Amino acid sequence: AAGVIQSPRHLIKEKRETATLKCYPIPRHDTVYWYQQGPGQDPQFLISFYEKMQSDKGSIPDRFSAQQFSDYHSELNMSSLELGDSALYFCASSPGPGARNEQFFGPGTRLTVL
Amino acid sequence: SQQGEEDPQALSIQEGENATMNCSYKTSINNLQWYRQNSGRGLVHLILIRSNEREKHSGRLRVTLDTSKKSSSLLITASRAADTASYFCAAMKTSYDKVIFGPGTSLSVIP
Repeated sequence: AAGVIQSPRHLIKEKRETATLKCYPIPRHDTVYWYQQGPGQDPQFLISFYEKMQSDKGSIPDRFSAQQFSDYHSELNMSSLELGDSALYFCASSPGPGARNEQFFGPGTRLTVL
Repeated sequence: SQQGEEDPQALSIQEGENATMNCSYKTSINNLQWYRQNSGRGLVHLILIRSNEREKHSGRLRVTLDTSKKSSSLLITASRAADTASYFCAAMKTSYDKVIFGPGTSLSVIP
């Protein structure tokens, strides 16, 4: 069965650079969630999209932005990277309201900021 | 504030023993989920229990939910070394809400 695809799987950046993380949800899933998991931490919700509109926002820094495109894939753009942005970034998708509650997580993108 | 909080934070058991992890949450929920994560890897969904359910089984996993106490437990029976991982409980306030994770329990199963 198709799963959530995230790219790249690993990314190394310097401080103050920018990074773009991509997420391809499971086919026919219209809702995408982004989570950040720092070293030794639990995943923290960043932002979500439903039908290409932002549906919820968590502890996402102003330096980060995200969007969901017409094919439902989503991109998380991160600018002016800081050392503290080093983390595992997960994307999850779900069929959306009224459907199953389960969110299907991608394998994550490991971002290292040097 | 976190919706889910877990105890113990770390658990070490011998292979074959049962492992029990507990989770408490603060507000009303639609469902509670348990995830597993091997060191630095992806999150694997284990089981979901809805707020109107009290117990659910999946293989060697048994999850209970007590909405009056706002708590849940995950029992892994006959543990194996391969069960070594971090286990997170995660709550959803509505069926389409974000998932709010607890701090996780690090389980070590010693062969």
